[in-house]
Amino acid sequence: DAGVTQSPTHLIKTRGQHVTLRCSPISGHKSVSWYQQVLGQGPQFIFQYYEKEERGRGNFPDRFSARQFPNYSSELNVNALLLGDSALYLCASSSQGAMNTEAFFGQGTRLTVV
Amino acid sequence: DQQVKQNSPSLSVQEGRISILNCDYTNSMFDYFLWYKKYPAEGPTFLISISSIKDKNEDGRFTVFLNKSAKHLSLHIVPSQPGDSAVYFCAAARFTGTASKLTFGTGTRLQVTL
Repeated sequence: DAGVTQSPTHLIKTRGQHVTLRCSPISGHKSVSWYQQVLGQGPQFIFQYYEKEERGRGNFPDRFSARQFPNYSSELNVNALLLGDSALYLCASSSQGAMNTEAFFGQGTRLTVV
Repeated sequence: DQQVKQNSPSLSVQEGRISILNCDYTNSMFDYFLWYKKYPAEGPTFLISISSIKDKNEDGRFTVFLNKSAKHLSLHIVPSQPGDSAVYFCAAARFTGTASKLTFGTGTRLQVTL
């Protein structure tokens, strides 16, 4: 069974550019969440999407946006990249929106902003 | 405001002994607590969870204890094995009407020595 897949695995961008990260959830899972993990910290919640609707948003600027497609895959977009956006971006899928007791994570996309 | 704290950044334990990883939280509204293990270049892997209405959950070598009055939980691994060497994240979940969000601690790096 395929787990959560993220692409690309690594990415280098220049300050001010835009980036799109992609996530395919586990088959049958309808919820996708995005997390940012900066070196030495735990993952920080960015967004949750369930049934193609945004269900939760963390404390991130409007430069961060996301969407979920009819096949439940998801994209995370970050505009006007800053050096501080360099991090590991993790996608997690789960079968439910609320009352979700377990999230399965992908391997992440390592974004470096130079 | 760090709502979930792991005050020990690292822990070294001899193979066969017990590993005890600790986690404190401040928000009494959390509904569920989870432990994730993370190897380098991989996403977090779910280990074990516990509902806020319970005080213990066991799964093989892993046991999680919850002390609600102290807002403290711990993960016990016994016996510890070299393959357990990884970073362990404590996470807390709060369920709203339509979403769930994980709040992570900063992680504890466990090293199991021979």
